[in-house]
Amino acid sequence: GAGVSQSPSNKVTEKGKDVELRCDPISGHTALYWYRQSLGQGLEFLIYFQGNSAPDKSGLPSDRFSAERTGGSVSTLTIQRTQQEDSAVYLCASSHSGTPNSGANVLTFGAGSRLTVL
Amino acid sequence: AQRVTQPEKLLSVFKGAPVELKCNYSYSGSPELFWYVQYSRQRLQLLLRHISRESIKGFTADLNKGETSFHLKKPFAQEEDSAMYYCALRGNTGKLIFGQGTTLQVKP
Repeated sequence: GAGVSQSPSNKVTEKGKDVELRCDPISGHTALYWYRQSLGQGLEFLIYFQGNSAPDKSGLPSDRFSAERTGGSVSTLTIQRTQQEDSAVYLCASSHSGTPNSGANVLTFGAGSRLTVL
Repeated sequence: AQRVTQPEKLLSVFKGAPVELKCNYSYSGSPELFWYVQYSRQRLQLLLRHISRESIKGFTADLNKGETSFHLKKPFAQEEDSAMYYCALRGNTGKLIFGQGTTLQVKP
């Protein structure tokens, strides 16, 4: 695709339900990132996929959060037993994986999925 | 560990005034530094990278390794510069982390 696509754009759910957020990166981009954007917290790193390497999950806030990337392309972020504090905009971004300090490292962001937990 | 600090949540200036958005980082290796910007109702996008040493929309940023800073500057702010600005650091594993962001408000 021409850009990074995220779905759904908006999701309202009840506390305790599970949600899945999807990210379609730019074709050919081997690096994929998930971030959480909330008021007062800035852009919080969640997880980073790079090619076939094991993902860097160091930013996932709890074991209720998980993500996978199938076939090196589409990624799904799953939040189980949602809590009100999970309400935020979840951003996905992708990039080529280039050598350090190359233009290939620039991220292209999706529009985000706004999650509201009631 | 990688860390990016933007001490100001909000910076409000008048049109034509100079602007400096502060960014300090902590990283033991050789970092790549970026500034990303998010205008109202738009996607987050790259503004500039330290490696390019270029000026974008009148903004510049110099990497100061001694002070571990990468402050964003513009000599004369414009109303269209009003946006949220994020400083970011990419470590040698490819992981990219962001600061908490600074909202720049340029008043007419």
